[in-house]
Amino acid sequence: QSALTQPASVSGSPGQSITISCTGTSRDIGAFNYVSWYQQFPGKAPKLIIYDVINRPSGVSNRFSGSKSGNTASLTISGLQAEDEADYYCSSYTTSGTWVFGGGTKLTVL
Amino acid sequence: EVQVVESGGGLIQPGGSLRLSCEASGFTVSSNYMNWVRQAPGKGLEWVSIIHDGGITYYGDSVKGRFTTSRDNSRNTIYLQMNSLRAEDTAVYFCARTPVRPLAFDYWGLGTLVTV
Repeated sequence: QSALTQPASVSGSPGQSITISCTGTSRDIGAFNYVSWYQQFPGKAPKLIIYDVINRPSGVSNRFSGSKSGNTASLTISGLQAEDEADYYCSSYTTSGTWVFGGGTKLTVL
Repeated sequence: EVQVVESGGGLIQPGGSLRLSCEASGFTVSSNYMNWVRQAPGKGLEWVSIIHDGGITYYGDSVKGRFTTSRDNSRNTIYLQMNSLRAEDTAVYFCARTPVRPLAFDYWGLGTLVTV
């Protein structure tokens, strides 16, 4: 159960778009469309922002979008805002019936 | 309103045992998958365990054989029994719901801190 691979940090200016990658294997991301993304602020619980690779829960801004190609999933945030500064985690269901998270990416809005 | 509330965390000596609880409201735990996810201080999220609606359980490699997840339907509560605790088990432990659809962690508690 190796963690999915995410960049440790990304940054962007307000109004720009950024993309966070999440690389797994054929036993997790590549096997299913059960990739989800979470936003976490310091000292708070994670919040689901993308599920099933591309879907947004009700109430989540359409500035957040997800995609997948092979063993790599991506989260794109468009029209970056200061309030988007947080940690972001990807997660995937695996062929073992377990779950795995990425190491997390710290987003800094310049 | 859907809510999960964890409790039972605290300071424990290495080798000791602790039981965490996660009480749910606004939904039925036995109709959903329920997870434990932990986060060590300053670190990322680590999935710990899941209990399916049918009662099947799965565990992460780092806790397999030491931790056990169970459920009390009458209390609408799930538990995490943690034995043979190690310093590296120090973390905030979150309870999170996975409805059958979507297959994701849609509701999280605030977490309970375990310090070994």
